[in-house]
Amino acid sequence: GDSVTQMEGPVTLSEEAFLTINCTYTATGYPSLFWYVQYPGEGLQLLLKATKADDKGSNKGFEATYRKETTSFHLEKGSVQVSDSAVYFCALGLTGGGNKLTFGTGTQLKVEL
Amino acid sequence: DVKVTQSSRYLVKRTGEKVFLECVQDMDHENMFWYRQDPGLGLRLIYFSYDVKMKEKGDIPEGYSVSREKKERFSLILESASTNQTSMYLCASSFGGRRTGELFFGEGSRLTVL
Repeated sequence: GDSVTQMEGPVTLSEEAFLTINCTYTATGYPSLFWYVQYPGEGLQLLLKATKADDKGSNKGFEATYRKETTSFHLEKGSVQVSDSAVYFCALGLTGGGNKLTFGTGTQLKVEL
Repeated sequence: DVKVTQSSRYLVKRTGEKVFLECVQDMDHENMFWYRQDPGLGLRLIYFSYDVKMKEKGDIPEGYSVSREKKERFSLILESASTNQTSMYLCASSFGGRRTGELFFGEGSRLTVL
């Protein structure tokens, strides 16, 4: 079945460090890929998405490129801030799947001064 | 702004009790979903609905049922709560059809079953 694998956390970084959170997927069709973020005490919210191979999603300084050849969608940010501390979820949804998303296990990011 | 409201942020129930978790969205979305979130397991889909009075099982429906009598409201029911249902429950909604797009989540309901 469809699945998403993302790196385990927690990831602890100093402010202004470079961030990479790895995400790989397995899917039978041609999925859309998403990164959601969950700030402490809140629900999930969409951070960025990409709907086809080689698309790059970006938002709030975060980027991720849909790599079909490596079945990956790694999240990157050049300079993290304390306010980026949150749990990040990679997810996939199949075209025609009616927004039924499959999520990874989440990666907690802690950014320290 | 889209708003998905879950009726209770924190609940404590006893084993065997019937539990209702309510979710209301204000954006006229056709699709609604219930997930549970557990450490190390991420989000797992319990049930979803594409229309009023319509429901489909997700990946882990056992021990749960749902009700969707009105478009804006989607309820999750635990007929007889058990300790292994202690979890964070997240409701989400989205635009309709079978497109793939953004889910809008509520803040979650943390249920503890004693």
